[in-house]
Amino acid sequence: ETGVTQTPRHLVMGMTNKKSLKCEQHLGHNAMYWYKQSAKKPLELMFVYSLEERVENNSVPSRFSPECPNSSHLFLHLHTLQPEDSALYLCASSQGLGNTGELFFGEGSRLTVL
Amino acid sequence: QKEVEQNSGPLSVPEGAIASLNCTYSDRGSQSFFWYRQYSGKSPELIMFIYSNGDKEDGRFTAQLNKASQYVSLLIRDSQPSDSATYLCAVNSWGKLQFGAGTQVVVTP
Repeated sequence: ETGVTQTPRHLVMGMTNKKSLKCEQHLGHNAMYWYKQSAKKPLELMFVYSLEERVENNSVPSRFSPECPNSSHLFLHLHTLQPEDSALYLCASSQGLGNTGELFFGEGSRLTVL
Repeated sequence: QKEVEQNSGPLSVPEGAIASLNCTYSDRGSQSFFWYRQYSGKSPELIMFIYSNGDKEDGRFTAQLNKASQYVSLLIRDSQPSDSATYLCAVNSWGKLQFGAGTQVVVTP
């Protein structure tokens, strides 16, 4: 148990569906992240939030829409996805930004786009 | 050029032997270096970090850093079947954490 909880753990959706991934951290951290993990590829940073403000959007397509209503919760809204978006989506949190490399990851949401 | 490179493996290691994992990085200005372990179907967890040239030991794990050669390694001594996992190298470069694709380690009894 890392203190970062993601739901759902598995999601199958069609290309026209709209769904959301949820992340909650119980560590009192002030930064939260979305990463995409595809087989045999490095973790790809998608979005970074610090104190509920988006500080980084790593050229992610607009079909992915993040939302951070408070420092403990992070959402990733999904719509009109493509099959190549199938991957493991990992949420992470950290205390502070910048010089920290200590990220606490959730168990991930395995997304399959049909 | 990939920013952080690792051999994908699998690296097969007999139980009790030393596993040696390597990682190279492209940005000379990188300041801090991390090793994460990821079991199959699980999330990555931080196991080691190193900031200065040389060796850093923590239990059966030793991280080695050579900034001149832009090289960081992880040694796992007395490898156990429970060490079978994918090990991700991560490099903090100007505040951004860049990950390698990971090296899969398989410890065979």
